[in-house]
Amino acid sequence: EVQLVQSGAEVKKPGESLNISCKASGYTFTTYWIGWVRQQPGKGLEWMGIIYPGDSDTRYSPSFQGHVTISADKSFRTAYLQWSNLRASDTAMYYCMRSLSMIISGAFDLWGQGTVVRVSS
Amino acid sequence: QSVLTQPPSASGTPGQRVTISCSGSSSNIGSNPVNWFQHLPGAAPKLLIYSSNQRPSGVPDRFSGSKSGTSASLAISGLQSGDEADYYCAAWDDSLDASVFGGGTKLTVL
Repeated sequence: EVQLVQSGAEVKKPGESLNISCKASGYTFTTYWIGWVRQQPGKGLEWMGIIYPGDSDTRYSPSFQGHVTISADKSFRTAYLQWSNLRASDTAMYYCMRSLSMIISGAFDLWGQGTVVRVSS
Repeated sequence: QSVLTQPPSASGTPGQRVTISCSGSSSNIGSNPVNWFQHLPGAAPKLLIYSSNQRPSGVPDRFSGSKSGTSASLAISGLQSGDEADYYCAAWDDSLDASVFGGGTKLTVL
C-alpha cells in the first residue's frame, strides 16, 4: 500500500531537541519530493520545506530556515523533521506529504496522518 | 500574513455553487500552477486540484479550478454538507524558492 506513516505524538520542554519521522512505503522513495507542513492550533497550513531523497536537495521556507532541519534516509525510506532548540511556538500538528511527481511544485497528493508536537515548560 | 490571499470564509446552501478566490503575485500564481487542498476536521489535507485545473483520480467533477494572471479560483458545484472544510490554495514562489499557502477559507454549508 502506498502510504506515509508518521511517528507518534511528542511532549517536550522549550530548548529541547526533537526528531519526528515519516516512513514511506509502496512507491520508489527516491523519486518523489517529501515535504512538511505545520498547523498551529486554530491557524492555517504553513509550508515548511521539502527534500528530494534521491540527492538530498532541500528547500526551506524562509520562515523556517535555520530553525528546523529536513533530512531523509534512503535505507530506511524515512524523512525527518528535526529541531535542536524547541520553542513554545513550535506546538502544532505536523504533516508530511509526498509530491505528485518528481517535478518540484506545490502539488502533494499523499499525506501522513500527522504528528502532534507540544512544547511546554 | 500569507503570501497568497484568500477570503477567510465562504458559505452556501446544499446544491448551490460557490467559488473561493486566491490572489497572488507574478512570482507565484503569475508564473506557476496553482494547487488546491481540502482540509476536513481531524483528517490530513487532501489534494483537490493540481496544475490549476486538474483533478486527481477520485476527486468528483463538482470541484474545478481556474487561473488567470495572478489570481485563481476554486469552484464547488452541487454543494453538499460533506464539503464543509477549510480550503487552501498553494503555489510555488520563484522568489522564495519555496511553496506558499493561502491563509485558508472556511466553507460553511448552511
